[in-house]
Amino acid sequence: SQELEQSPQSLIVQEGKNLTINCTSSKTLYGLYWYKQKYGEGLIFLMMLQKGGEEKSHEKITAKLDEKKQQSSLHITASQPSHAGIYLCGADWGLMDSSYKLIFGSGTRLLVRP
Amino acid sequence: KAGVTQTPRYLIKTRGQQVTLSCSPISGHRSVSWYQQTPGQGLQFLFEYFSETQRNKGNFPGRFSGRQFSNSRSEMNVSTLELGDSALYLCASSLAGMYEQYFGPGTRLTVT
Repeated sequence: SQELEQSPQSLIVQEGKNLTINCTSSKTLYGLYWYKQKYGEGLIFLMMLQKGGEEKSHEKITAKLDEKKQQSSLHITASQPSHAGIYLCGADWGLMDSSYKLIFGSGTRLLVRP
Repeated sequence: KAGVTQTPRYLIKTRGQQVTLSCSPISGHRSVSWYQQTPGQGLQFLFEYFSETQRNKGNFPGRFSGRQFSNSRSEMNVSTLELGDSALYLCASSLAGMYEQYFGPGTRLTVT
């Protein structure tokens, strides 16, 4: 969705390196969700961010919400091959016509080379 | 706790046929959402059900329909299949809304 832009589209990093994925919304974010997907499989919930400045961590993955910039970043520290997959952000804009649905970005494909 | 299950996992259909996909949510979850994922369009919202009521619908033609049963299990139906309907169909369940949706493994539909 162009309403939710993810960058970069793909990323190849060497094992042990840090990386950052960005998700930028065209509208004010009420909630921002990060998911990980292995190719052809379902999505695994990683984190939900709701408040500006909120930062959450799960193992070596940290996500932050910048409300003013309408942007969220996902940072992986000391990447491992197990981090490989597609990372998707989903937006909740808190609008009546978008109630109960998530709009997803196009995803960032991450490959971690051993 | 068992996760979201979807059946069948793979399906091959011919243009013009119809198909029904099934989704069983996590026990206790009353909200079920359906998404279509294709390489070109990405992950797109189809519809969401809560307590057997559709609360929102995405921008898909009327050939796509769904329903939810009293036990929260949900089905989606696609009639008059087109080649462009080939996709991974994912369902997700949550307690009462979209927060922390848990996704099933998906049903991969191929239309020939």
